Amino acid sequence: GAVVSQHPSWVICKSGTSVKIECRSLDFQATTMFWYRQFPKQSLMLMATSNEGSKATYEQGVEKDKFLINHASLTLSTLTVTSAHPEDSSFYICSAIPSGATGELFFGEGSRLTVL
Amino acid sequence: AQSVAQPEDQVNVAEGNPLTVKCTYSVSGNPYLFWYVQYPNRGLQFLLKYITGDNLVKGSYGFEAEFNKSQTSFHLKKPSALVSDSALYFCAVRDFPSNDYKLSFGAGTTVTVRA
Repeated sequence: GAVVSQHPSWVICKSGTSVKIECRSLDFQATTMFWYRQFPKQSLMLMATSNEGSKATYEQGVEKDKFLINHASLTLSTLTVTSAHPEDSSFYICSAIPSGATGELFFGEGSRLTVL
Repeated sequence: AQSVAQPEDQVNVAEGNPLTVKCTYSVSGNPYLFWYVQYPNRGLQFLLKYITGDNLVKGSYGFEAEFNKSQTSFHLKKPSALVSDSALYFCAVRDFPSNDYKLSFGAGTTVTVRA
């Protein structure tokens, strides 16, 4: 149990376009999901906390207008990178915690974004 | 405030030898501690956690970790390493009680197990 699916795994886009990444909890409901960004050989940087039915909470320094987060249901959160530029190229990972749980987060497989 | 330190960027061991990956933490309240493993271009896989109870925690793939409150440490161990254990390992902590589920991650330790 506790499977988190992320799609797409890889995406290449042109500079100036927008890209949407989906994060789904397949066998549990998640009131809260998290979006991380990871640079090569570095740790995870928390970008934002996605809350079902309300606005996302962004970490300091993360542009909320560039990284749009929508948590439309208890099993789906989306991250849209708007007007992407090469510096947005990165590995994006989502995670979720079952509603009411107090333990570990479950992570998606990550999405590699390359902006040309 | 919560934070985690992984003092070693890299750990190299021979297959069959014991493997230890170090982690120390800092929290205001009580720690919830976790270890995750990441393979190239993949998400994080959960290995084990300490919430309460026994200080020695056993997890997936033969890994275990010992919670040491006095030393604020939670080192990951495996008695006999395999080549397939080569990966990036992250220690993470969450302060309890807290109003959110945010984890703070260490910088990661790259483990290389040579045949």
